[in-house]
Amino acid sequence: KQEVTQIPAALSVPEGENLVLNCSFTDSAIYNLQWFRQDPGKGLTSLLLIQSSQREQTSGRLNASLDKSSGRSTLYIAASQPGDSATYLCAVDNTDKLIFGTGTRLQVFP
Amino acid sequence: NAGVTQTPKFQVLKTGQSMTLQCAQDMNHEYMSWYRQDPGMGLRLIHYSVGAGITDQGEVPNGYNVSRSTTEDFPLRLLSAAPSQTSVYFCASSYGPDSGIQYFGAGTRLSVL
Repeated sequence: KQEVTQIPAALSVPEGENLVLNCSFTDSAIYNLQWFRQDPGKGLTSLLLIQSSQREQTSGRLNASLDKSSGRSTLYIAASQPGDSATYLCAVDNTDKLIFGTGTRLQVFP
Repeated sequence: NAGVTQTPKFQVLKTGQSMTLQCAQDMNHEYMSWYRQDPGMGLRLIHYSVGAGITDQGEVPNGYNVSRSTTEDFPLRLLSAAPSQTSVYFCASSYGPDSGIQYFGAGTRLSVL
């Protein structure tokens, strides 16, 4: 059974810091891995999608990497801003289902 | 472009009542799914559909029914609400489970008393 773990569960940093959020999964037979952002009381917004054949994806200040063989992905946020405060979720896609981690709650203070 | 629309946004039920959570998408996506989100548990898949007329169970299907008569709509029915079904429910859609980004609705916050 696929299990997805995210570390740390919560993170509080000053504005301007570079951050790394971690995601690990137990079954490497995945189609893709997605990183989502969730603001309090809101739905999920997809940030980055990495196909199983890819090693990384970039969007603006965000960079996500994928190492299938070790079952790990990282989300790198450069030059963090207070507007980045949210919960970040990773999810792996295999056998028709998305399996989510429990998220990292990020607070960036001015 | 409305994306994925869920109604209602909030609902309070009494134990034993039934109701239907609505989900509609206007992106012509084949794949639709329902999740529930509980504190400390992450999102868990309830039911999903890979196309009109095809549905399957996810991780936590008990107490819920679904049907998919059209590509656009994927309603979730609670047959006899229980306090354990108090949760936030999200509907999502995509072109396929292995082919791309999943788009989520804003959620339905359900309380069962």
